[in-house]
Amino acid sequence: GAGVSQSPRYKVAKRGQDVALRCDPISGHVSLFWYQQALGQGPEFLTYFQNEAQLDKSGLPSDRFFAERPEGSVSTLKIQRTQQEDSAVYLCASSLLFGENQPQHFGDGTRLSIL
Amino acid sequence: GQQVMQIPQYQHVQEGEDFTTYCNSSTTLSNIQWYKQRPGGHPVFLIQLVKSGEVKKQKRLTFQFGEAKKNSSLHITATQTTDVGTYFCAGPDSSNTGKLIFGQGTTLQVKP
Repeated sequence: GAGVSQSPRYKVAKRGQDVALRCDPISGHVSLFWYQQALGQGPEFLTYFQNEAQLDKSGLPSDRFFAERPEGSVSTLKIQRTQQEDSAVYLCASSLLFGENQPQHFGDGTRLSIL
Repeated sequence: GQQVMQIPQYQHVQEGEDFTTYCNSSTTLSNIQWYKQRPGGHPVFLIQLVKSGEVKKQKRLTFQFGEAKKNSSLHITATQTTDVGTYFCAGPDSSNTGKLIFGQGTTLQVKP
């Protein structure tokens, strides 16, 4: 596709439920990032994939958060036993290559609300 | 840990006035990137600065990277209502994965 696609756009879940958020990066992009953005804040890093390899998951807040990118394209961020503090916008970004000089292309995000 | 700070947090200007946002990193950066996020939208890449003291212009926007590569600024001349949004600076962390540390952003409101 032309850009990074994320689904769903909005997700409402009850506390304790599991959720799965999908990211479809720009075709051919090697690097994929997940960020969490709280209201009025900048995006905060969660995890990074280079192709199918998860090279950095240092930003995941707890072991309830899990991400995968099994075939090096689509990625899923799963949150188990959701808590109210998980409410945020989850942004996915991809870049063509790996390394620190690559601009990142963001999707529209998934706005997650935990009741 | 590595931090990126931006000031001001909010700025309200009259259309036609100038606007500047400042970005400071706790560590020396290999590059700095700027993104714009419109209300309800996602961050959109504007520019990347790499060299010490670099200045780049995009129409009414001027971006600077400090000599020590720890600070940066974005200046908008003669703001328009289309400039409304939140401007983020972001620098890579030391892992060389491309992971970005974002500032908290400066939200610009423009009164017509």
